[in-house]
Amino acid sequence: KNQVEQSPQSLIILEGKNCTLQCNYTVSPFSNLRWYKQDTGRGPVSLTIMTFSENTKSNGRYTATLDADTKQSSLHITASQLSDSASYICVVSWVGSGNTGKLIFGQGTTLQVKP
Amino acid sequence: SAVISQKPSRDICQRGTSLTIQCQVDSQVTMMFWYRQQPGQSLTLIATANQGSEATYESGFVIDKFPISRPNLTFSTLTVSNMSPEDSSIYLCSVEFVNTIYFGEGSWLTVV
Repeated sequence: KNQVEQSPQSLIILEGKNCTLQCNYTVSPFSNLRWYKQDTGRGPVSLTIMTFSENTKSNGRYTATLDADTKQSSLHITASQLSDSASYICVVSWVGSGNTGKLIFGQGTTLQVKP
Repeated sequence: SAVISQKPSRDICQRGTSLTIQCQVDSQVTMMFWYRQQPGQSLTLIATANQGSEATYESGFVIDKFPISRPNLTFSTLTVSNMSPEDSSIYLCSVEFVNTIYFGEGSWLTVV
């Protein structure tokens, strides 16, 4: 079964600290993996997108890594800010038969950054 | 990038009524997607709206409950029919544009 699992479910860190969020997937065949940030009451906003041939992608203080062999991805946030408080969603694109990139969503990690 | 506008952003609806959510994109796109996000949950795809053809619904979602229109390449509507409290959710419109998936801000519906 195609699944995307994220950990931890929630995380609290102090402002200025770094953190790493994990995403494991069983999606196959796999097209790409995306990380989204969703602020409370807002729609998800794209942070990174990686194909199976890429193993790292950065967007400012956000760095995503991908190991397609172990089917694991991580999102590293450096020098966290209060505005990083949000849900972070891992999304894997599944290229099934007759399907053009169906998205499989993780449950998200809720990050709270405290002053 | 693609900018998506959704209306309404929030609404409180009476049980048994129907509400239509509008989604406007500032670029022409082939497919538009409608998602539901129940409280504390991730996104679930309701249907894919293709211009000029019937929408394609995911398992568990039916046209009678969630009729969709797609009159042109920049606009779509989703109607939530005969609402019950279980329909209280965020409904999100999404498009893929230049290999990036964009989401609208969502429409928060509370059914009382």
